Amino acid sequence: TQLLEQSPQFLSIQEGENLTVYCNSSSVFSSLQWYRQEPGEGPVLLVTVVTGGEVKKLKRLTFQFGDARKDSSLHITAAQPGDTGLYLCAGVWGTYKYIFGTGTRLKVLA
Amino acid sequence: NAGVTQTPKFRVLKTGQSMTLLCAQDMNHEYMYWYRQDPGMGLRLIHYSVGEGTTAKGEVPDGYNVSRLKKQNFLLGLESAAPSQTSVYFCASSYGTAYNQPQHFGDGTRLSIL
Repeated sequence: TQLLEQSPQFLSIQEGENLTVYCNSSSVFSSLQWYRQEPGEGPVLLVTVVTGGEVKKLKRLTFQFGDARKDSSLHITAAQPGDTGLYLCAGVWGTYKYIFGTGTRLKVLA
Repeated sequence: NAGVTQTPKFRVLKTGQSMTLLCAQDMNHEYMYWYRQDPGMGLRLIHYSVGEGTTAKGEVPDGYNVSRLKKQNFLLGLESAAPSQTSVYFCASSYGTAYNQPQHFGDGTRLSIL
């Protein structure tokens, strides 16, 4: 049973636009991670958020963990073609169990 | 700087054949994982291991077996391959308690079952 829903599933935008990706669950997680995956490669970690309400910034990417630690969002400002990829959120249960979201496939057009 | 290495990268099998996927990590990580990735489904956990000699079932374990005889290796076996097992398989490892640790992934094995 998939416990993490991501939206939107697909997103195609022009270079310079802003976008937000959502990751929602009915479960509470110890922490939540965001990964980006390029074609033919495995996912690579972007950030981990641990505390409810936490906000982390990574250059043009802003990650937020919901107050109740059940949801998260990823906001990209002024998207660039290099941001193109599959974005995955992963909720962490306990000490070693990960549940991955369904993924958001982003394409940024030049 | 190998990280997590998966072999083979591609494989085509006929229904009923068996094979083993190998995952090797050189980061001395305790935890290792096998996932499958299918379109629209994200990554689903097949089996995982929290240390040498231990394994446990994940979300979709049916039709697969695993072994972790050495800390650095985690093997995924398909005893009798079925078309439903056509997928991209990823191995990952992580260090210690995972709540703030990243999983390090290999580049995947693309498996087709005819």
